[in-house]
Amino acid sequence: SQELEQSPQSLIVQEGKNLTINCTSSKTLYGLYWYKQKYGEGLIFLMMLQKGGEEKSHEKITAKLDEKKQQSSLHITASQPSHAGIYLCGADGRGGSEKLVFGKGTKLTVNP
Amino acid sequence: DSGVTQTPKHLITATGQRVTLRCSPRSGDLSVYWYQQSLDQGLQFLIQYYNGEERAKGNILERFSAQQFPDLHSELNLSSLELGDSALYFCASSPGGGVRETQYFGPGTRLLVL
Repeated sequence: SQELEQSPQSLIVQEGKNLTINCTSSKTLYGLYWYKQKYGEGLIFLMMLQKGGEEKSHEKITAKLDEKKQQSSLHITASQPSHAGIYLCGADGRGGSEKLVFGKGTKLTVNP
Repeated sequence: DSGVTQTPKHLITATGQRVTLRCSPRSGDLSVYWYQQSLDQGLQFLIQYYNGEERAKGNILERFSAQQFPDLHSELNLSSLELGDSALYFCASSPGGGVRETQYFGPGTRLLVL
């Protein structure tokens, strides 16, 4: 079965700094989803990537899927305290989004 | 706000008991998914329903069952509860059951089994 490994597990940065979170899959990624979760709350959808080399941006957050479709990165530029939370990557198999598999998450703290 | 609602928000119960969690999907969405999130296991897919029918099954225990009603809301029933069932239970919905559909998550139900 597919497994997703996220790194780092946690990250503490100073406000204004850039940061990158990685998500590596044991198998080819057909659909890769990034979500953000505030502690103990629901997941907020950020972006979905499908094609090798694809890159999407939303405000100061950019996500990329590598050409081989086994790794994705999430980059935050000029981080703010509002970016703090747990970032989760999720992936579905070739058949579709029925069974999303998630990484364990990366906990981001942004110090003002 | 994702448009997915879940009740109750918190639930405290004792071992051996049975509880029902409820989920209302976004307007127009036909698929409902249930997930369990715990500290040690992370976020795990339990089961999916599409337009009233079971569509996909994940790591759902036999003590757990779910259903989706004609109005598309769903319920997750957890019985013979054990301490290890304490977790956050999320419901998500998507428009159909097709390929590459984004799932929108509800706020979750926090279950504590004492």
